[in-house]
Amino acid sequence: QVQLQESGPGLVKPSQTLSLTCSVSGASLSGGGYLWSWIRQYPGKGLEWIGYIFHSGTTSYNPSLKSRLTMSVDTSQNQFSLILTSVTAADTAVYYCARDVGRGFCSETGCDTFDIWGQGKAVTVSS
Amino acid sequence: EILLAQSPGTLSLSPGERATLSCRASQSVSGSYVAWFQQKPGQAPRLLIYHASSRATGIPDRFSGSGSGTDFTLTLSRLEPEDFAVYYCQQYAHSPYTFGQGTKLEIK
Repeated sequence: QVQLQESGPGLVKPSQTLSLTCSVSGASLSGGGYLWSWIRQYPGKGLEWIGYIFHSGTTSYNPSLKSRLTMSVDTSQNQFSLILTSVTAADTAVYYCARDVGRGFCSETGCDTFDIWGQGKAVTVSS
Repeated sequence: EILLAQSPGTLSLSPGERATLSCRASQSVSGSYVAWFQQKPGQAPRLLIYHASSRATGIPDRFSGSGSGTDFTLTLSRLEPEDFAVYYCQQYAHSPYTFGQGTKLEIK
């Protein structure tokens, strides 16, 4: 059973850097075949796709965040990470990591899109 | 960027009734690459429907999806108590992937 778990600080000061890690169990990132994604949910409940990373390190970012965003993958630790710089109060959200099956592909759970999610990490940007 | 507008914002129904949720895209979603998610309080979203009309593993057949182009629908044929939640549509045809703002399905 594949499980994802986010970790990182719950409070970040404005203008500083947000760093989150997603630990994957039950599947190997180096096995390939999936896109490992970050999605955030604002306090008003809207969802925003942040970006994804492939096991090779190939990334795709939401253009709205691209200038502040870096994703990385550590296959030896079976983890992938998000770094968001110069945060403001607008970055306050619950951050989810999720497995993206990829359009046209299927897993044991579903096809095409986000089939497995972490429980979410609440992050507040405040001084 | 494709914008998704969901309606209604809130739907008040009783168990056993039929629910129809709408998702309208700002431009045609190629390939009908639209998914629906269910979210309950304190939980992550759960994949219900992908490719507009295909149910994910373990999803009861009272959930059905339809649509193409710019108009998509999620139908719950007979509401069970556990179905009362927030539902989101998502398009994954064009990057950046986007979500609708959600429809809250509440008990009347």
